[in-house]
Amino acid sequence: EVLLLESGGGLVHPGGSLRLSCAASGFTFTDYAMNWVRQAPGKGLEWVSGVDYRGVSTYYADSVKGRFTISRDNSKKTMDLQMSSLTAEDSALYYCMRASSTTTGGVWGQGTLVTVSS
Amino acid sequence: DIQMTQSPSSLSASVGDRVTITCRASQGIRNFLVWFQQKPGKAPKSLIYAASRLDSGVPSRFSGSGSGTEFTLTISTLQPEDFATYYCQQYISFPLSFGGGTKVEIK
Repeated sequence: EVLLLESGGGLVHPGGSLRLSCAASGFTFTDYAMNWVRQAPGKGLEWVSGVDYRGVSTYYADSVKGRFTISRDNSKKTMDLQMSSLTAEDSALYYCMRASSTTTGGVWGQGTLVTVSS
Repeated sequence: DIQMTQSPSSLSASVGDRVTITCRASQGIRNFLVWFQQKPGKAPKSLIYAASRLDSGVPSRFSGSGSGTEFTLTISTLQPEDFATYYCQQYISFPLSFGGGTKVEIK
């Protein structure tokens, strides 16, 4: 069974930092690009960042560029998102999402909640 | 960047109805489109990938069509468990982008 388990969310003050992690199991991790997607309460889905299967190419939404850093460790089957200079607009449920492919659509974890508040 | 526009943003329908949701891309994305279903308090779940391929375990009442810039998701006979929010997403290139969502509510 494909599983993605996020961790690291919590309450952080504006301007603070947080590191999210996603642990993958049940599939060949190196076959897929991976992404972070967030959803603010009552809002739609917003893609945040992605990393290719090798961990070499990384991509960011304009809203987080320069503040967030994505990485992956293929030996541990994990993906991280280092977030800094957080603002209230970053408050959301953050999902780890395995990329869609030629054989299946994207697969999601259950999410980890980030709340930025003083 | 590719913009995805979904319509309608919400609709009311009855059990047994045929429902169609449209998604338009701001530029051609061939068939690199996925449809997700999200129920309250749950993570999204893939229904259709490659615009028209049914994902594993998804009921056959769901179907997708289209290529290029215009796509549709059809639910042939709406069931009680289908009341949810539906999102399209393009995956031909980064940045990935989602449609704004279509909330399907009970009439």
